[in-house]
Amino acid sequence: DGGITQSPKYLFRKEGQNVTLSCEQNLNHDAMYWYRQDPGQGLRLIYYSQIVNDFQKGDIAEGYSVSREKKESFPLTVTSAQKNPTAFYLCASSIQGGLNTEAFFGQGTRLTVV
Amino acid sequence: KQEVTQIPAALSVPEGENLVLNCSFTDSAIYNLQWFRQDPGKGLTSLLLIQSSQREQTSGRLNASLDKSSGRSTLYIAASQPGDSATYLCAVKTSYDKVIFGPGTSLSVIP
Repeated sequence: DGGITQSPKYLFRKEGQNVTLSCEQNLNHDAMYWYRQDPGQGLRLIYYSQIVNDFQKGDIAEGYSVSREKKESFPLTVTSAQKNPTAFYLCASSIQGGLNTEAFFGQGTRLTVV
Repeated sequence: KQEVTQIPAALSVPEGENLVLNCSFTDSAIYNLQWFRQDPGKGLTSLLLIQSSQREQTSGRLNASLDKSSGRSTLYIAASQPGDSATYLCAVKTSYDKVIFGPGTSLSVIP
């Protein structure tokens, strides 16, 4: 089945550690996105990538880093510089080349700082 | 700056009732509006996508309308069922790479 796979589902991080969240898609989508969701708030865009080897900062990129070495993969690293990383992280993808395109989401990774 | 709001924040209805969820946005210059469903601890599932040139979209018991000039969209759910219980989010696409989400409405359908 085509879709987006995020792993792990739950992740625990100690203070000062970097952690990497995985996002893989087999939909042949060019564009991929990372969002953060906090209780009572809408999703906020962290980073997005429109093509391989290119990515752009979203609204809350500080403390995060990404790479896009393959079309299928868009991993997100939460660095120790992110002051409040505990949140639900969602990865999404969409077909490139159109403004009126539908977004597809993974099942999310819940990150907790311990 | 585009802002998206959703009212009410939470809604509880008895099974079988028809209901309306509201989404408002401040800037009418949007390319599309999408309604999503999110179950607790899960990702988002797309329900309906309305292009900026369209007024409404229907899928089964769901009907979404769009009024760009007034900055509003509604999601109508007919004959609600307990399985409809979830959080419903709307999102507007404001540019090639920008999608702004609302905070969501948490729906509970009581058997």
